[in-house]
Amino acid sequence: EAQVTQNPRYLITVTGKKLTVTCSQNMNHEYMSWYRQDPGLGLRQIYYSMNVEVTDKGDVPEGYKVSRKEKRNFPLILESPSPNQTSLYFCASSSGTDSYEQYFGPGTRLTVT
Amino acid sequence: GENVEQHPSTLSVQEGDSAVIKCTYSDSASNYFPWYKQELGKRPQLIIDIRSNVGEKKDQRIAVTLNKTAKHFSLHITETQPEDSAVYFCAASRWDSNYQLIWGAGTKLIIKP
Repeated sequence: EAQVTQNPRYLITVTGKKLTVTCSQNMNHEYMSWYRQDPGLGLRQIYYSMNVEVTDKGDVPEGYKVSRKEKRNFPLILESPSPNQTSLYFCASSSGTDSYEQYFGPGTRLTVT
Repeated sequence: GENVEQHPSTLSVQEGDSAVIKCTYSDSASNYFPWYKQELGKRPQLIIDIRSNVGEKKDQRIAVTLNKTAKHFSLHITETQPEDSAVYFCAASRWDSNYQLIWGAGTKLIIKP
């Protein structure tokens, strides 16, 4: 089954404790992206990647890091989480060839206390 | 840069009536306009998209219209049903970076029984 997976789905952590949210897709998509969703603000892009070893900042990259060492994986790293990073996070991927449709993962709800 | 405005933020319609959500964009180089639906607690999913070389596209009860001159596009849902209740997001992207979607803030559609 073609899908985008994220782990964990829910996470409660404390300020300053490094964490990683994993994202994986099995559709051989070139393009991957991370978004955060906050009430009333829609979807805001954090980082995106056009292919392996190619990443770039989105609209709200501060406090986040990403890497793309393999085509299927695009982890999101919070080196020192703060309460303002409490949010719902979505990973998405797109084929890069015949369609621009973005396939979203199930989301990760992060709470930083 | 590109900006996408979406109205209304909340729309309540009687079951069976039509619903219209409108988005305006600022970048005349935008040529791809998708609509995503996000049900409560779920991930966003593409429901319909349109490219700038056509003015209208239909898929059963949903349709999207595009006015390039006025730089606005609209989602039309006819014969609304309870399962249409969701948040709808519009987006736009440029011809030279079609993966980079600029998102509207979303419209919460409520279908009243």
